[in-house]
Amino acid sequence: KQEVTQIPAALSVPEGENLVLNCSFTDSAIYNLQWFRQDPGKGLTSLLLIQSSQREQTSGRLNASLDKSSGRSTLYIAASQPGDSATYLCAVRGGGADGLTFGKGTHLIIQP
Amino acid sequence: DTAVSQTPKYLVTQMGNDKSIKCEQNLGHDTMYWYKQDSKKFLKIMFSYNNKELIINETVPNRFSPKSPDKAHLNLHINSLELGDSAVYFCASSHAGTGGNEQFFGPGTRLTVL
Repeated sequence: KQEVTQIPAALSVPEGENLVLNCSFTDSAIYNLQWFRQDPGKGLTSLLLIQSSQREQTSGRLNASLDKSSGRSTLYIAASQPGDSATYLCAVRGGGADGLTFGKGTHLIIQP
Repeated sequence: DTAVSQTPKYLVTQMGNDKSIKCEQNLGHDTMYWYKQDSKKFLKIMFSYNNKELIINETVPNRFSPKSPDKAHLNLHINSLELGDSAVYFCASSHAGTGGNEQFFGPGTRLTVL
């Protein structure tokens, strides 16, 4: 059974810092990995999708990497801004289950 | 244009009632999903459906049933509601297949059972 773990559970940093969010998964037989952002009381916004054959994806100040063999992904946020404050969720597809298997998220606060 | 929409946004009801949540997507996707986010904010897959196959998470009670009138809609029916059903329910959609198909989520329906 696939399990996804995100570290840290919460993070608070001053504006302007670069930061890394970590995600690990137990079954490396995945089809893809997706990073989402969730604002309080809102739905999920897809940030980046990494196919199982890819090593990384970039979108603006965001860069996500994938090391499938070791079951790890990182989300790098450059030059953080207060508007980046949200919960960031990592999810994988595959590894024995249909749909996405989610981690519990990293609650990120960027201090102005 | 809203890609994945859900109605209602909020649903408050009494224990024992039967209720439905509607979901529609205009992305031309052929696979749709329902997820449940519990009080601790943990998201879990409930169903996936692609016109040919319904895959049910084994932990979902049979009081929950998805119904798809067409490819663009997947509604969630819940019978005999229980207190523990209180949660936020998210609908999502993607293209079919085992490839790297991005999933897009609706805004969620907050269900409160009293």
